[in-house]
Amino acid sequence: GAVVSQHPSRVICKSGTSVKIECRSLDFQATTMFWYRQFPKQSLMLMATSNEGSKATYEQGVEKDKFLINHASLTLSTLTVTSAHPEDSSFYICSASGQVGWGTEAFFGQGTRLTVV
Amino acid sequence: DAKTTQPNSMESNEEEPVHLPCNHSTISGTDYIHWYRQLPSQGPEYVIHGLTSNVNNRMASLAIAEDRKSSTLILHRATLRDAAVYYCILRDFNYGGSQGNLIFGKGTKLSVKP
Repeated sequence: GAVVSQHPSRVICKSGTSVKIECRSLDFQATTMFWYRQFPKQSLMLMATSNEGSKATYEQGVEKDKFLINHASLTLSTLTVTSAHPEDSSFYICSASGQVGWGTEAFFGQGTRLTVV
Repeated sequence: DAKTTQPNSMESNEEEPVHLPCNHSTISGTDYIHWYRQLPSQGPEYVIHGLTSNVNNRMASLAIAEDRKSSTLILHRATLRDAAVYYCILRDFNYGGSQGNLIFGKGTKLSVKP
């Protein structure tokens, strides 16, 4: 399957600082990228959807000014958690989707474990 | 995207087949049935997907009911590495010209005994 690389895999930051997470599609053009958040023992929760060159669409309850999403190219999307607080500590996962082979598979990054102290 | 219903957990013995069921009674004509699995502390991994016909790949088989209201993911010989949470998700192929988002339910936690 296609490869989606997410970086960093782990990050610890101080409360009040900002953290940027990168998501790259390595061998296909990702027309759409999705960002998810997953708390312990829970399922993935969709945060936002972004199409290349357009503003992201955020799910209800997700603050767009806190979780900045940029999808400037067909292979890169970034999620910036601004002014992070301990309650933002979570597992963040990106997904990239595009025409890969047959059908409409989406492929996921390895995830980023964010810990805010 | 329409909702799916899966058992919370299932157990299997190593080397035996596993049948993971999924109900999706409100599926629409343009919904694809996708299966993903997630190992602990990793992102979800694509397993298989289909529309109407049964599908096979190197990882698994997908059996789709004739009325498309249910499907079954089949792992032919479970290994310890197959222990994961398996998600059955419906995805609308015609979502606004872009790729429809994947909405995750709680999935089925599969345990494999040696």
